[in-house]
Amino acid sequence: EDQVTQSPEALRLQEGESSSLNCSYTVSGLRGLFWYRQDPGKGPEFLFTLYSAGEEKEKERLKATLTKKESFLHITAPKPEDSATYLCAVRRDSNYQLIWGAGTKLIIKP
Amino acid sequence: DAGVTQSPTHLIKTRGQQVTLRCSPKSGHDTVSWYQQALGQGPQFIFQYYEEEERQRGNFPDRFSGHQFPNYSSELNVNALLLGDSALYLCASSVLTDTQYFGPGTRLTVL
Repeated sequence: EDQVTQSPEALRLQEGESSSLNCSYTVSGLRGLFWYRQDPGKGPEFLFTLYSAGEEKEKERLKATLTKKESFLHITAPKPEDSATYLCAVRRDSNYQLIWGAGTKLIIKP
Repeated sequence: DAGVTQSPTHLIKTRGQQVTLRCSPKSGHDTVSWYQQALGQGPQFIFQYYEEEERQRGNFPDRFSGHQFPNYSSELNVNALLLGDSALYLCASSVLTDTQYFGPGTRLTVL
């Protein structure tokens, strides 16, 4: 059964304190892995798509990496405005739905 | 360029009633997917529409139905509402089944 697990559930950091969020997945025939950011009561905002192991993508203070079993979202020198829930999702070949993790709630304290 | 739009923003219904939610996809997108998100959880796939047909359906009862119009906009209908249907309903659009872009969601409360 396809499954996505994110850890930790919540992460509190001081402003400027770098860290990583983890997304472990079990899926046969990965089509793509997606990272989104979600603010309370709003829709998910697209961040990255990763397609194959070894791929990396960066955007401002965020960097996403992918292996055959997991993905990491590295956040460097975060700011309070980076506080949000970060969601990971996967899509399988020949399947159109996204399968989601429960998210990591990130809180950056000034 | 307008992104994905959804209406209404919030909705309050009572058990047993019916509700219709609406979605307009991002310009140039032809595929619409609907998700249900309970508080503190990741979204759950309801179904996806492409070329006015339901292309794939998640594990949701027949009370959940949808439609896609020739201009690619879409509706989600839920009949016989239950308390457990209270959630944030998200619409996402995409093209060539690639990255999905989400609207702001409709918060449905069932009393």
